[in-house]
Amino acid sequence: TQTVSQSDAHVTVFEGDSVELRCNYSYGGSIYLSWYIQHHGHGLQFLLKYYSGNPVVQGVNGFEAEFSKSDSSFHLRKASVHWSDSAVYFCAVTGNTGKLIFGLGTTLQVQP
Amino acid sequence: NSKVIQTPRYLVKGQGQKAKMRCIPEKGHPVVFWYQQNKNNEFKFLINFQNQEVLQQIDMTEKRFSAECPSNSPCSLEIQSSEAGDSALYLCASSPQNNQAPLFGEGTRLSVL
Repeated sequence: TQTVSQSDAHVTVFEGDSVELRCNYSYGGSIYLSWYIQHHGHGLQFLLKYYSGNPVVQGVNGFEAEFSKSDSSFHLRKASVHWSDSAVYFCAVTGNTGKLIFGLGTTLQVQP
Repeated sequence: NSKVIQTPRYLVKGQGQKAKMRCIPEKGHPVVFWYQQNKNNEFKFLINFQNQEVLQQIDMTEKRFSAECPSNSPCSLEIQSSEAGDSALYLCASSPQNNQAPLFGEGTRLSVL
């Protein structure tokens, strides 16, 4: 069974702070790991993905994520958040069937 | 800016009515997915296509839901007889290959009254 767990439902930080959004997965085969952002009332915007190679991948708007096989994790990080980063962030696993398995999302609130 | 175009953005239907939504995938993306996102942020895979052929679909889709991706026309998802529980955000996504992270559209928000 493929599962994605995002342990924090809500994260609140101040503008300029660093942030880490956690994602853990369980899957036995080769996978794509990805992060998406969803602003209120909109669809999902792709941030970044990992399949192989350098475990640290860079995405849009200063986001990066690090894959850890030993921890079964793919945490998302940003060094300095902006108020416009306030949104819901979804971690997802794409298995060999092609279907995405999503976590329940982490709502990031950036306060001024 | 999303390159997967979904229409309409909002759809309001009464119970028992048909609800139809459309999707134009990113150019050059032969794989198309439909997902349903409910108010609890739970995503449910509905169906996916490669070109015009169905790759996978869930049982729910086989009963009241129908979808197609004809050549040279938008893909579509139709609910034959809408139920209150169908109220959700329906997301279309496309990908160059089946096992890559797809690009999503803005979604069609369906409200069944």
